[in-house]
Amino acid sequence: GENVEQHPSTLSVQEGDSAVIKCTYSDSASNYFPWYKQELGKRPQLIIDIRSNVGEKKDQRIAVTLNKTAKHFSLHITETQPEDSAVYFCAASIQGGSYIPTFGRGTSLIVHP
Amino acid sequence: GAVVSQHPSWVICKSGTSVKIECRSLDFQATTMFWYRQFPKQSLMLMATSNEGSKATYEQGVEKDKFLINHASLTLSTLTVTSAHPEDSSFYICSVNRGDYTFGSGTRLTVV
Repeated sequence: GENVEQHPSTLSVQEGDSAVIKCTYSDSASNYFPWYKQELGKRPQLIIDIRSNVGEKKDQRIAVTLNKTAKHFSLHITETQPEDSAVYFCAASIQGGSYIPTFGRGTSLIVHP
Repeated sequence: GAVVSQHPSWVICKSGTSVKIECRSLDFQATTMFWYRQFPKQSLMLMATSNEGSKATYEQGVEKDKFLINHASLTLSTLTVTSAHPEDSSFYICSVNRGDYTFGSGTRLTVV
């Protein structure tokens, strides 16, 4: 089955700095890679996703890159703000049908004002 | 994504009692729903896939007699934690796949 590794487990940055979270996956058949943000006590919410037919996707301060050859993908947050503080999960799956994503262990991002 | 409602948002129960958690897909008829468990500062662990009109599919290591899942309609799946014990205390979240993966609001279960 799929195995997703996520690093780092904790990331502490100053407001305004950039933050990068990296994930690797094992199943070359995986073609859909969503990222979720989970604030304390709340549900995970999809913030950005990327499919295997593109290498990069950007949405304002958030971007995701994908390297299919190396089987890794990364989340980039620029100009971080205190409200970006949360746990971020990456996931990998095969889209179509009742796909079930495999989640990384999560990264706790702390943005200091 | 779908709109997913989960109830209750939190519950405290005594050891030995049973607790039912509801997950509703409000704008989408879901033939499958997914139940996750999340311990503090840990990732989402898939417990089971709920299948409308048939038996749920449990992940390895999840006791099906302890975590009863019923998916009687296309909009409702329930998870019942039977004979709850303190070690069952956790955050339980359901989800629905409608192109992307949408989560319910979660239920914080505390067993005392």
